[in-house]
Amino acid sequence: RKEVEQDPGPFNVPEGATVAFNCTYSNSASQSFFWYRQDCRKEPKLLMSVYSSGNEDGRFTAQLNRASQYISLLIRDSKLSDSATYLCVVNEPDSWGKLQFGAGTQVVVTP
Amino acid sequence: DTAVSQTPKYLVTQMGNDKSIKCEQNLGHDTMYWYKQDSKKFLKIMFSYNNKELIINETVPNRFSPKSPDKAHLNLHINSLELGDSAVYFCASSPLVTSGTYEQYFGPGTRLTVT
Repeated sequence: RKEVEQDPGPFNVPEGATVAFNCTYSNSASQSFFWYRQDCRKEPKLLMSVYSSGNEDGRFTAQLNRASQYISLLIRDSKLSDSATYLCVVNEPDSWGKLQFGAGTQVVVTP
Repeated sequence: DTAVSQTPKYLVTQMGNDKSIKCEQNLGHDTMYWYKQDSKKFLKIMFSYNNKELIINETVPNRFSPKSPDKAHLNLHINSLELGDSAVYFCASSPLVTSGTYEQYFGPGTRLTVT
């Protein structure tokens, strides 16, 4: 079983619409959670950290559900520039900062 | 003013050769990492150094040898390159990890093609 699982997509989203997707993680002791975005042939870039109470950054909202061990990302008012692969990232406990990356969810925003 | 930089960006070489990739960060971070992203797009950690000390060493062939001359630099040397080494190699850095897990910041990647 993979440590971090994501629906690979693609999620095809009309511009201006809302899209949401989840990832699940296997280690209940994980404490740090992040969403990264990766554009084609580019490096992963931190989008946002995910906090226990949920957090928002502009059009992006992240939620954490510890009981069910999943993290979600919601993008409102999608822009063409939101087209990317979104990586769910979870720390491996007691491992000197080791992060486990999901394979990513591809989002394609269409005009 | 690139925060994490890597050289070279592209590397095409033949099987059996030895090559090095260099990484530098100017973020003042204490911890640096090497990741491999293969054609299936999974990012897998290979090594991590905390203030020049090796702290993560995943199951990586010993043809791969990291070296950290100081906490701002982490290089990766690969001996006897094989076809399966073809991938994108990313360097990353983060603040000191002893007290928790912090966000990591990635370099632009080195696309290695072994022919």
